[in-house]
Amino acid sequence: NAGVTQTPKFQVLKTGQSMTLQCAQDMNHNSMYWYRQDPGMGLRLIYYSASEGTTDKGEVPNGYNVSRLNKREFSLRLESAAPSQTSVYFCASSTNRGTDTQYFGPGTRLTVL
Amino acid sequence: AQSVTQPDIHITVSEGASLELRCNYSYGATPYLFWYVQSPGQGLQLLLKYFSGDTLVQGIKGFEAEFKRSQSSFNLRKPSVHWSDAAEYFCAVGRDGGYQKVTFGTGTKLQVIP
Repeated sequence: NAGVTQTPKFQVLKTGQSMTLQCAQDMNHNSMYWYRQDPGMGLRLIYYSASEGTTDKGEVPNGYNVSRLNKREFSLRLESAAPSQTSVYFCASSTNRGTDTQYFGPGTRLTVL
Repeated sequence: AQSVTQPDIHITVSEGASLELRCNYSYGATPYLFWYVQSPGQGLQLLLKYFSGDTLVQGIKGFEAEFKRSQSSFNLRKPSVHWSDAAEYFCAVGRDGGYQKVTFGTGTKLQVIP
């Protein structure tokens, strides 16, 4: 039982390059989330998926796209990376109930030069 | 809209001393409240949560938090801090809505000195 896994752990991109961050969970959760964490700003929601086949924008979606490939996997794509997207990215999963715990992956540290 | 305020960005305590981390929330109905901890280089892990019942909740690692509706607060406490408690702590408020909508505070970084 691995929980939530993310790849890669670290990535350096040049401005304008694209990449996809991968996330998978093995807890049979309906909901999955992508957050970014910046110093002094806590975690901000980029996109979420309440169930397989659905995705919706969160607080800071500009410059990102997502795909809920199946119930287990939720990927985040940067089509044309910008220095403002330098951040630590976390994937999380949970049930759909407001009272439940969100389970987080270990994060991806992305630097855009 | 829901929001969370953690007024202390950084706190330093001596090992063995007591700890209280502050959290204030804004939400119209009964909130679901969480404290998460993030060790360096790691993802977030749940410490404890409150959604109903006894307003004093116990969590892992000897932490507890008290929900005070009149003060819109959910402060985290520990009677005696250990060096391994050095981490960043996030308060969060959640609600139902088709998915688990959670808003995180900006975090409090705890430093423990010997």
